[in-house]
Amino acid sequence: QVHLVESGGGVVQPGRSLRLSCAASGFTFKWYAMHWVRQAPGKGLEWVAVISDTGNEKEYADSAKGRFTISRDNFQNTVNLQMSSLTTDDTAVYYCVRGAGSGWYGRYFDYWGQGTLVTVSS
Amino acid sequence: DIQMTQSPSSLSASVGDRLTITCRASQNIGSYLNWYQQKSGKAPKFLIYSASTLQSGVPSRFSGNASGTDFTLTISSLQPADFATYYCQQTYSPPLTFGPGTKVDLK
Repeated sequence: QVHLVESGGGVVQPGRSLRLSCAASGFTFKWYAMHWVRQAPGKGLEWVAVISDTGNEKEYADSAKGRFTISRDNFQNTVNLQMSSLTTDDTAVYYCVRGAGSGWYGRYFDYWGQGTLVTVSS
Repeated sequence: DIQMTQSPSSLSASVGDRLTITCRASQNIGSYLNWYQQKSGKAPKFLIYSASTLQSGVPSRFSGNASGTDFTLTISSLQPADFATYYCQQTYSPPLTFGPGTKVDLK
């Protein structure tokens, strides 16, 4: 059974950094692209970043470019999101998501973690 | 970037109703359109991919269709478990944008 468990959320001051992690189990992690999707309180879903199965390809939303870095460890079966220069607009639940289907980033998001809340506040 | 719109933004319905949600892409995305269901406080659940293919385990009362850049999600007979917010998503090219969502609540 596929499990994605996020960790690392919490309260952080504006301008500071935070690192989210996602532990994957129940599938062959190195075969799948992995994504981060976030949802601000009371708002819709926003795709944040993707990393390919090998880690060689990455893409970011404009809101994340230059501030967030996605990485993965195919031995530890983890995917990370390093976030810097955080602002109040980054306050959201961050979901770790598996990308499946064709293409290097997957064509659909079939499994989601339960999410971890990041609150940026002074 | 590809923009996704949804209509309506919310609707009220009764158990047994047939309802249709529309999603429109700002440019051609082929059939790279997915649908997700999200209940309050929960992670989204994957329903449909490639515009019309049901994910395994999704009830057959859900269906998806496509016509050019317009996509629809139909629930043939609304059940109590279906009251939720529904999102479409394009995976034609990054950034992989979601629609703003359609909230379905009880009339």
